[in-house]
Amino acid sequence: QLQLQESGPGLVKPSETLSLTCTVSGGSISGSNYYWGWIRLPPGKGLEWIGSVFHSGSTYYNPSLKSRVTISVDTSKSQFSLRLNSVTAADTAVYYCARLITTTTVSWFVPWGQGTLVTVSS
Amino acid sequence: DIQMTQSPSSLSASVGDRVTITCRASQSISTYLNWYQQKPGKAPKLLIYAASSLQSGVPSRFSGSGSGTDFTLTINSVQPEDFATYCCQQSYSTPWTFGQGTKVEMK
Repeated sequence: QLQLQESGPGLVKPSETLSLTCTVSGGSISGSNYYWGWIRLPPGKGLEWIGSVFHSGSTYYNPSLKSRVTISVDTSKSQFSLRLNSVTAADTAVYYCARLITTTTVSWFVPWGQGTLVTVSS
Repeated sequence: DIQMTQSPSSLSASVGDRVTITCRASQSISTYLNWYQQKPGKAPKLLIYAASSLQSGVPSRFSGSGSGTDFTLTINSVQPEDFATYCCQQSYSTPWTFGQGTKVEMK
């Protein structure tokens, strides 16, 4: 059964870089119909898609965050990572990683990691 | 970006009730609509994909319908484990966007 687990610091200072890693177990990170994505849930708000990466390293990002985001993949470790720079308090959120299944038409996120709370504060 | 609007934002229900949640897209998205269940401290769970397809392992009391701009998630006979937050997500075009969530609470 495929499982995803987020890891990384729970506290980041304003203006610094948030770095998280998602470890994939129980399946391959290199499937042809799979992308891997990051989604966040700010307190009191709805989910926000951050971006996604293919096992080849191809990426696509939410334009609202694109200037600050880098998502990368390490297939040898079955991991993909998120870097978000110049963070502010508005970046405080629970961060989830998830697999994005894509077909010729529809796409959906399954499964998801449990999420990790990242707080931006000095 | 495609805006997703859910209603209501919260509702109260008793075990055994039928619950209906609505999601409206700001433009037509065909049937490119997914539904998720969220519980605090747990991984969000896919319930329905492509508007009406039930994800494997999800109880049949959950169902989805709709196309274009208006979609519905129905829970027939709500069970204690169903009290959670539900959100919709469009996969018609990037950036993928989600509704703000509907919290289903016990009456």
